[in-house]
Amino acid sequence: DQQVKQNSPSLSVQEGRISILNCDYTNSMFDYFLWYKKYPAEGPTFLISISSIKDKNEDGRFTVFLNKSAKHLSLHIVPSQPGDSAVYFCATLQGGSEKLVFGKGTKLTVNP
Amino acid sequence: DGGITQSPKYLFRKEGQNVTLSCEQNLNHDAMYWYRQDPGQGLRLIYYSQIVNDFQKGDIAEGYSVSREKKESFPLTVTSAQKNPTAFYLCASSIYRHYNSPLHFGNGTRLTVT
Repeated sequence: DQQVKQNSPSLSVQEGRISILNCDYTNSMFDYFLWYKKYPAEGPTFLISISSIKDKNEDGRFTVFLNKSAKHLSLHIVPSQPGDSAVYFCATLQGGSEKLVFGKGTKLTVNP
Repeated sequence: DGGITQSPKYLFRKEGQNVTLSCEQNLNHDAMYWYRQDPGQGLRLIYYSQIVNDFQKGDIAEGYSVSREKKESFPLTVTSAQKNPTAFYLCASSIYRHYNSPLHFGNGTRLTVT
């Protein structure tokens, strides 16, 4: 059973608009959440993270929101740029564990 | 430049042969990891090692083996016992604990077994 779900396999947005990528998790013990970005034939690169003591973390154009009661997090990219086109993975970590649990990813396409 | 090097980028093997994927890091990270990615799937953890000469099974360790004789190196052997070895393999490293220390990934090795 998937512990981390990214229900949208793909998302397409226009350049300059907002991109919203969503992630749901099932285990309330998860307390650290990360987003990774992956281009084809490359390894993922870390984008932004948030711990469960916060509900928002911002880094430039990227903001992650965490709703613990709904077990939901989202990544907002504003404004979206064509270079943001990639697969985005959310990942979660339970306190004391070394095992990141990844979602299946959402492929974002930003059209010029 | 510090980073993680995986070699080769593409690897082809016949069914029934063992194959070893290389992973080297010069980030001075304690922990190293092997993940597997299949089309439309997330990354699944095969093995991880937090210190030299010690490693633990991940979620899909069957048919794989690893060693950690040096801090910089964490090779993965895909054995003939692995039922579906064709996949994209990613090596990663981090400072000992994940918190405030995200994984750094290599660029992967695509293994094709026919």
